[in-house]
Amino acid sequence: AQSVTQLDSHVSVSEGTPVLLRCNYSSSYSPSLFWYVQHPNKGLQLLLKYTSAATLVKGINGFEAEFKKSETSFHLTKPSAHMSDAAEYFCVVSGRQAGTALIFGKGTTLSVSS
Amino acid sequence: DSGVTQTPKHLITATGQRVTLRCSPRSGDLSVYWYQQSLDQGLQFLIQYYNGEERAKGNILERFSAQQFPDLHSELNLSSLELGDSALYFCASSVTSGGGDTGELFFGEGSRLTVL
Repeated sequence: AQSVTQLDSHVSVSEGTPVLLRCNYSSSYSPSLFWYVQHPNKGLQLLLKYTSAATLVKGINGFEAEFKKSETSFHLTKPSAHMSDAAEYFCVVSGRQAGTALIFGKGTTLSVSS
Repeated sequence: DSGVTQTPKHLITATGQRVTLRCSPRSGDLSVYWYQQSLDQGLQFLIQYYNGEERAKGNILERFSAQQFPDLHSELNLSSLELGDSALYFCASSVTSGGGDTGELFFGEGSRLTVL
């Protein structure tokens, strides 16, 4: 079975400072991992995905994540936060088998202050 | 705009009632997924359909049912509603049958259900 744990329910940063959202995963086999973002009153949007190619994955809006198998982690980073980054972020795991649903973490709320 | 359309956006009803939520997937997408989002449970996978057939089942209550029609739109039926069913219900679609090979689900903006 797969699961994800987002280590922080809320992260606050100042505009222009780095962002780090932490995610650990558990999977009985090589997982696919994703980060989704949800802005207020909106649906979820894919930020980036890891599917066993390069371990450093670049996504939209300057975000990137590094897959570390030894640490079972998939942390999301951005060098410089922008006010528009304020949203809910979800780390997601999926198996490779057809019909396997995506399993979402509980989410991390990112607040960005000016 | 993700291309996934959900109706209604908001719904208020009473305990014991039955409601139907509707989802139209992106053009060309064969898979439809239903998720429930609540403050205490987070985002929970309910069920997936692929080209009209049930593909995967998650934490869906027996009081809930879903189907996908030949035109690929899907409906989620919630019956004997309880206060705890109040939540945001998301529909998502994808081209492929499984979440693992692409992982990109396209989400609608959700249907907010309030049970009084």
